[in-house]
Amino acid sequence: AQKVTQAQTEISVVEKEDVTLDCVYETRDTTYYLFWYKQPPSGELVFLIRRNSFDEQNEISGRYSWNFQKSTSSFNFTITASQVVDSAVYFCALSEDLETGANNLFFGTGTRLTVIP
Amino acid sequence: GAVVSQHPSRVICKSGTSVKIECRSLDFQATTMFWYRQFPKQSLMLMATSNEGSKATYEQGVEKDKFLINHASLTLSTLTVTSAHPEDSSFYICSARRLGDTEAFFGQGTRLTVV
Repeated sequence: AQKVTQAQTEISVVEKEDVTLDCVYETRDTTYYLFWYKQPPSGELVFLIRRNSFDEQNEISGRYSWNFQKSTSSFNFTITASQVVDSAVYFCALSEDLETGANNLFFGTGTRLTVIP
Repeated sequence: GAVVSQHPSRVICKSGTSVKIECRSLDFQATTMFWYRQFPKQSLMLMATSNEGSKATYEQGVEKDKFLINHASLTLSTLTVTSAHPEDSSFYICSARRLGDTEAFFGQGTRLTVV
């Protein structure tokens, strides 16, 4: 069965601190996609990254970086030098259907990040 | 916890027909609902935002006459795909948010296949 676990329900950091959001997934498939989404106070989902299971290379995009460890089924997300605008709920998600690439997204329960000025 | 139920989970329809997808908040009043669409191998894309009792706000590039959204009550929003074509085949997911909340809760999604 597929499952995405974001054990941290809420995190608070002081501005400029680094913060890592954890994501652990379960799947029986050998091929799958992993996602991170940001949900700011306005409510919509903002896509951050998609990673397929064949690509374990870590990725950096500005202050964001992602650490994909297939051996531990984790896909952690780090924000460096956090800013108040980073305050949001962040969702990790898993998609197993690579035939279409988009079937049945399984989301984690989200981590609410609060960056204190 | 807050539960959002989306129905149906899968639907197959013939080209030219219309199909309605329901999004219900089961244990809370959803003043705002979001509809997303996911193309193959792409991320979820926001289609529209609907507030109870008012017209939906559509994202750029989304045809409002094609994708009719109704949010007539605080617990139900519907998305109707009119005159569906095979290119409308996709995964549609809704999310719902309470007044004053920043967090939205997702439905399970609907896989639409137009044949």
